[in-house]
Amino acid sequence: EVQMLESGGGLVQPGGSLRLSCAASGFTFSGYAMSWVRQAPGKGLEWVSGISNSGVNTYYTDSVRGRFTISRDNSKNTLYLQMNSLRAEDTAIYFCAKDINTDFWSGYYGVLDYWGQGALVTVSS
Amino acid sequence: DIQMTQSPSSLSASVGDRVTITCRASQDVSNYLAWFQQKPGKAPKSLIYAASTLQSGVPSKFSGSGSGTEFTLTISSLQPEDFATYYCQQYRRYPPLFGGGTRVEI
Repeated sequence: EVQMLESGGGLVQPGGSLRLSCAASGFTFSGYAMSWVRQAPGKGLEWVSGISNSGVNTYYTDSVRGRFTISRDNSKNTLYLQMNSLRAEDTAIYFCAKDINTDFWSGYYGVLDYWGQGALVTVSS
Repeated sequence: DIQMTQSPSSLSASVGDRVTITCRASQDVSNYLAWFQQKPGKAPKSLIYAASTLQSGVPSKFSGSGSGTEFTLTISSLQPEDFATYYCQQYRRYPPLFGGGTRVEI
Protein backbone atom coordinates (compact mmCIF):
# COMPACT_ATOMS: atom_id res chain seq x y z
CA GLU A 1 0.00 0.00 0.00
CA VAL A 2 1.35 3.40 -1.01
CA GLN A 3 1.76 5.67 1.99
CA MET A 4 3.30 9.09 2.51
CA LEU A 5 3.62 10.75 5.88
CA GLU A 6 4.53 14.42 6.18
CA SER A 7 6.19 15.89 9.25
CA GLY A 8 7.94 19.06 10.34
CA GLY A 9 5.05 21.48 10.22
CA GLY A 10 4.37 24.01 12.94
CA LEU A 11 4.21 27.66 13.92
CA VAL A 12 7.02 29.94 12.73
CA GLN A 13 7.51 33.70 12.75
CA PRO A 14 7.63 35.70 9.52
CA GLY A 15 11.13 35.52 8.08
CA GLY A 16 11.78 32.20 9.76
CA SER A 17 12.56 28.77 8.35
CA LEU A 18 11.06 25.30 8.49
CA ARG A 19 11.86 21.96 6.85
CA LEU A 20 9.11 19.56 5.89
CA SER A 21 9.74 15.85 5.39
CA CYS A 22 7.66 13.27 3.58
CA ALA A 23 8.43 9.63 4.36
CA ALA A 24 7.24 7.34 1.58
CA SER A 25 6.56 3.61 1.54
CA GLY A 26 4.79 0.99 -0.53
CA PHE A 27 6.42 1.87 -3.85
CA THR A 28 9.87 2.26 -5.40
CA PHE A 29 10.49 5.83 -4.27
CA SER A 30 13.52 6.33 -6.52
CA GLY A 31 11.44 5.55 -9.58
CA TYR A 32 9.09 8.52 -9.45
CA ALA A 33 9.02 12.29 -9.49
CA MET A 34 7.46 13.94 -6.46
CA SER A 35 5.70 17.24 -5.79
CA TRP A 36 4.61 19.48 -2.95
CA VAL A 37 1.13 21.02 -3.15
CA ARG A 38 -0.28 23.44 -0.57
CA GLN A 39 -3.71 24.58 0.52
CA ALA A 40 -4.24 27.81 2.44
CA PRO A 41 -7.01 27.69 5.07
CA GLY A 42 -10.38 27.50 3.34
CA LYS A 43 -8.80 27.90 -0.09
CA GLY A 44 -8.01 25.76 -3.12
CA LEU A 45 -4.95 23.75 -4.11
CA GLU A 46 -1.68 25.30 -5.28
CA TRP A 47 1.24 23.33 -6.76
CA VAL A 48 4.44 24.53 -5.08
CA SER A 49 7.39 22.48 -6.26
CA GLY A 50 8.45 19.29 -8.02
CA ILE A 51 11.55 17.12 -8.28
CA SER A 52 12.64 14.40 -10.68
CA ASN A 53 13.18 10.84 -9.50
CA SER A 54 16.95 11.30 -9.38
CA GLY A 55 16.74 14.69 -7.69
CA VAL A 56 18.68 16.33 -10.51
CA ASN A 57 15.80 18.43 -11.84
CA THR A 58 13.77 20.73 -9.60
CA TYR A 59 10.81 22.98 -10.34
CA TYR A 60 9.13 25.82 -8.41
CA THR A 61 6.15 28.11 -8.66
CA ASP A 62 7.19 31.75 -8.95
CA SER A 63 6.03 32.80 -5.47
CA VAL A 64 8.45 30.43 -3.70
CA ARG A 65 11.40 30.32 -6.10
CA GLY A 66 14.55 31.47 -4.29
CA ARG A 67 13.01 30.87 -0.84
CA PHE A 68 12.04 27.17 -0.93
CA THR A 69 14.28 24.22 -1.83
CA ILE A 70 12.97 20.79 -2.70
CA SER A 71 15.23 17.76 -2.32
CA ARG A 72 15.05 14.03 -1.78
CA ASP A 73 17.08 11.21 -0.24
CA ASN A 74 16.31 8.06 -2.18
CA SER A 75 18.28 5.95 0.30
CA LYS A 76 15.82 7.04 3.00
CA ASN A 77 12.69 7.15 0.79
CA THR A 78 12.16 10.71 1.95
CA LEU A 79 11.19 13.97 0.24
CA TYR A 80 12.02 17.35 1.77
CA LEU A 81 10.95 20.96 1.43
CA GLN A 82 13.24 23.53 3.02
CA MET A 83 11.29 26.76 3.47
CA ASN A 84 13.17 29.99 4.22
CA SER A 85 12.10 33.63 4.50
CA LEU A 86 8.59 32.50 5.31
CA ARG A 87 5.69 34.89 4.85
CA ALA A 88 2.16 34.99 6.24
CA GLU A 89 0.87 33.98 2.81
CA ASP A 90 2.83 30.71 3.04
CA THR A 91 0.44 29.57 5.79
CA ALA A 92 -1.14 26.38 4.50
CA ILE A 93 -1.38 22.63 4.71
CA TYR A 94 1.48 21.19 2.66
CA PHE A 95 0.86 17.86 0.92
CA CYS A 96 3.50 15.70 -0.70
CA ALA A 97 2.33 13.80 -3.77
CA LYS A 98 3.72 11.06 -5.99
CA ASP A 99 3.87 11.42 -9.77
CA ILE A 100 3.20 8.60 -12.23
CA ASN A 101 6.38 9.43 -14.18
CA THR A 102 10.05 9.98 -13.45
CA ASP A 103 10.31 13.68 -14.31
CA PHE A 104 8.60 16.66 -15.87
CA TRP A 105 9.35 17.63 -19.47
CA SER A 106 8.25 20.29 -21.90
CA GLY A 107 4.51 19.86 -22.24
CA TYR A 108 4.14 17.59 -19.20
CA TYR A 109 4.11 18.87 -15.65
CA GLY A 110 2.97 16.04 -13.51
CA VAL A 111 0.16 13.56 -12.90
CA LEU A 112 -0.22 13.12 -9.15
CA ASP A 113 -1.68 9.77 -8.13
CA TYR A 114 -1.05 9.44 -4.38
CA TRP A 115 -1.02 12.12 -1.69
CA GLY A 116 0.11 12.31 1.92
CA GLN A 117 -2.20 13.51 4.68
CA GLY A 118 -0.55 16.93 4.90
CA ALA A 119 1.42 19.05 7.37
CA LEU A 120 0.19 22.41 8.65
CA VAL A 121 2.56 25.36 8.42
CA THR A 122 1.48 28.55 10.19
CA VAL A 123 3.50 31.73 9.67
CA SER A 124 2.54 34.29 12.30
CA SER A 125 4.07 36.55 14.91
CA ASP B 1 -0.18 31.88 -16.55
CA ILE B 2 -3.01 29.78 -17.78
CA GLN B 3 -6.29 30.16 -15.88
CA MET B 4 -8.51 27.24 -14.87
CA THR B 5 -12.16 28.07 -14.20
CA GLN B 6 -14.58 25.58 -12.70
CA SER B 7 -18.35 25.90 -12.76
CA PRO B 8 -20.41 25.87 -10.78
CA SER B 9 -18.43 26.79 -7.66
CA SER B 10 -20.98 24.83 -5.64
CA LEU B 11 -24.04 22.74 -6.29
CA SER B 12 -26.74 21.01 -4.30
CA ALA B 13 -27.74 17.52 -5.32
CA SER B 14 -29.50 14.44 -4.01
CA VAL B 15 -28.46 10.82 -3.72
CA GLY B 16 -28.96 9.18 -7.10
CA ASP B 17 -28.57 12.38 -9.10
CA ARG B 18 -26.33 12.65 -12.15
CA VAL B 19 -23.90 15.50 -11.59
CA THR B 20 -21.70 17.29 -14.13
CA ILE B 21 -18.90 19.72 -13.31
CA THR B 22 -17.21 21.86 -15.96
CA CYS B 23 -13.61 23.02 -16.11
CA ARG B 24 -12.41 25.58 -18.65
CA ALA B 25 -8.80 26.41 -19.46
CA SER B 26 -7.80 29.84 -20.79
CA GLN B 27 -5.42 28.14 -23.26
CA ASP B 28 -5.38 24.82 -25.06
CA VAL B 29 -4.11 22.07 -22.74
CA SER B 30 -4.93 19.17 -25.11
CA ASN B 31 -6.06 16.32 -22.84
CA TYR B 32 -3.56 17.09 -20.05
CA LEU B 33 -6.28 17.45 -17.45
CA ALA B 34 -6.75 15.71 -14.10
CA TRP B 35 -9.60 15.60 -11.58
CA PHE B 36 -9.33 15.25 -7.80
CA GLN B 37 -11.82 14.71 -4.99
CA GLN B 38 -11.25 16.21 -1.54
CA LYS B 39 -13.31 15.63 1.57
CA PRO B 40 -13.11 18.00 4.56
CA GLY B 41 -9.92 17.58 6.55
CA LYS B 42 -8.55 14.97 4.13
CA ALA B 43 -5.95 14.85 1.40
CA PRO B 44 -7.06 15.10 -2.21
CA LYS B 45 -7.69 11.82 -3.99
CA SER B 46 -6.82 11.40 -7.65
CA LEU B 47 -9.80 10.38 -9.80
CA ILE B 48 -8.93 10.93 -13.45
CA TYR B 49 -5.97 11.94 -15.61
CA ALA B 50 -5.54 12.49 -19.35
CA ALA B 51 -9.06 13.96 -19.23
CA SER B 52 -10.80 10.58 -19.22
CA THR B 53 -8.53 7.86 -17.77
CA LEU B 54 -9.64 6.59 -14.38
CA GLN B 55 -6.96 6.16 -11.76
CA SER B 56 -6.63 2.63 -10.40
CA GLY B 57 -9.42 1.75 -8.01
CA VAL B 58 -11.71 4.65 -8.93
CA PRO B 59 -15.29 3.46 -9.52
CA SER B 60 -16.73 3.69 -13.00
CA LYS B 61 -19.49 6.04 -11.85
CA PHE B 62 -16.88 8.75 -12.35
CA SER B 63 -16.15 9.75 -15.93
CA GLY B 64 -14.30 12.56 -17.60
CA SER B 65 -14.40 14.03 -21.06
CA GLY B 66 -13.14 16.95 -23.09
CA SER B 67 -10.10 18.24 -24.85
CA GLY B 68 -8.51 21.58 -25.61
CA THR B 69 -10.11 24.13 -23.30
CA GLU B 70 -13.34 22.55 -22.05
CA PHE B 71 -13.67 19.50 -19.83
CA THR B 72 -16.33 17.80 -17.74
CA LEU B 73 -16.42 15.46 -14.77
CA THR B 74 -19.60 13.43 -14.45
CA ILE B 75 -20.78 11.37 -11.49
CA SER B 76 -23.44 9.05 -12.83
CA SER B 77 -25.36 8.34 -9.61
CA LEU B 78 -24.39 10.41 -6.61
CA GLN B 79 -23.84 8.47 -3.39
CA PRO B 80 -23.38 9.84 0.16
CA GLU B 81 -19.61 9.27 -0.02
CA ASP B 82 -19.38 11.49 -3.14
CA PHE B 83 -20.28 14.70 -1.33
CA ALA B 84 -16.96 16.54 -1.48
CA THR B 85 -15.08 19.27 -3.30
CA TYR B 86 -13.77 18.46 -6.77
CA TYR B 87 -10.77 20.13 -8.42
CA CYS B 88 -9.49 20.05 -11.97
CA GLN B 89 -5.79 20.57 -12.77
CA GLN B 90 -4.02 21.14 -16.04
CA TYR B 91 -0.51 19.73 -16.38
CA ARG B 92 0.25 20.72 -19.96
CA ARG B 93 1.65 24.16 -19.23
CA TYR B 94 3.97 25.40 -16.48
CA PRO B 95 3.02 25.83 -13.67
CA PRO B 96 0.48 23.04 -13.28
CA LEU B 97 -2.52 25.03 -11.99
CA PHE B 98 -5.67 23.85 -10.26
CA GLY B 99 -9.17 25.15 -10.75
CA GLY B 100 -10.94 26.87 -7.87
CA GLY B 101 -12.98 23.83 -6.93
CA THR B 102 -16.63 22.74 -7.04
CA ARG B 103 -18.31 21.87 -3.76
CA VAL B 104 -20.98 19.18 -4.11
CA GLU B 105 -23.45 19.38 -1.25
CA ILE B 106 -26.68 17.71 -0.27
